[in-house]
Amino acid sequence: NAGVTQTPKFRVLKTGQSMTLLCAQDMNHEYMYWYRQDPGMGLRLIHYSVGEGTTAKGEVPDGYNVSRLKKQNFLLGLESAAPSQTSVYFCASSYSGLETGELFFGEGSRLTVL
Amino acid sequence: GQSLEQPSEVTAVEGAIVQINCTYQTSGFYGLSWYQQHDGGAPTFLSYNGLDGLEETGRFSSFLSRSDSYGYLLLQELQMKDSASYFCAVRDFYNTNAGKSTFGDGTTLTVKP
Repeated sequence: NAGVTQTPKFRVLKTGQSMTLLCAQDMNHEYMYWYRQDPGMGLRLIHYSVGEGTTAKGEVPDGYNVSRLKKQNFLLGLESAAPSQTSVYFCASSYSGLETGELFFGEGSRLTVL
Repeated sequence: GQSLEQPSEVTAVEGAIVQINCTYQTSGFYGLSWYQQHDGGAPTFLSYNGLDGLEETGRFSSFLSRSDSYGYLLLQELQMKDSASYFCAVRDFYNTNAGKSTFGDGTTLTVKP
């Protein structure tokens, strides 16, 4: 099993450009999440999804959009990139329900906006 | 909202024991998790406490006191490879039953020879 796979792993954008980050998981998890991590800080939740066709806002959703058309995929879009969106983006997935809620993370996507 | 506090840095020597504390303020608290992250890597799950008390997993243990909104991660027999950042995370449920985790800013552990 590959677990959680993120593409691309690195990307450089100019201000105003758009892009999409793809997250794929093969563990049949219901929940999927997008976090961003800035240097020396924890992970902040951008958007999450509790199942196919559903999405919800997290802590820092502005400037991002998401879609979950298939259970195994969760896409994060930046419509008009800004330098403040330079960060490392982590996708994660987990089982639903009342278990430990262990998050399985991808390896991260490092985005630089010039 | 949720907020978590943990020390920013901790230093210890190889073979020693270190404790990383985490205090939290949250609504709809369900459990406290701990994650490890090496430089440039992805966070990996270490432990979870849903009930008060101590959970032990090898050299790592985690403790929770729900009444004090407090938990800690205990690392024993420290090894050089334990040098990493450690994050506590609160799992909560809202009325939609959507489990989400809010992370602290992390504690950088440096293990010295």
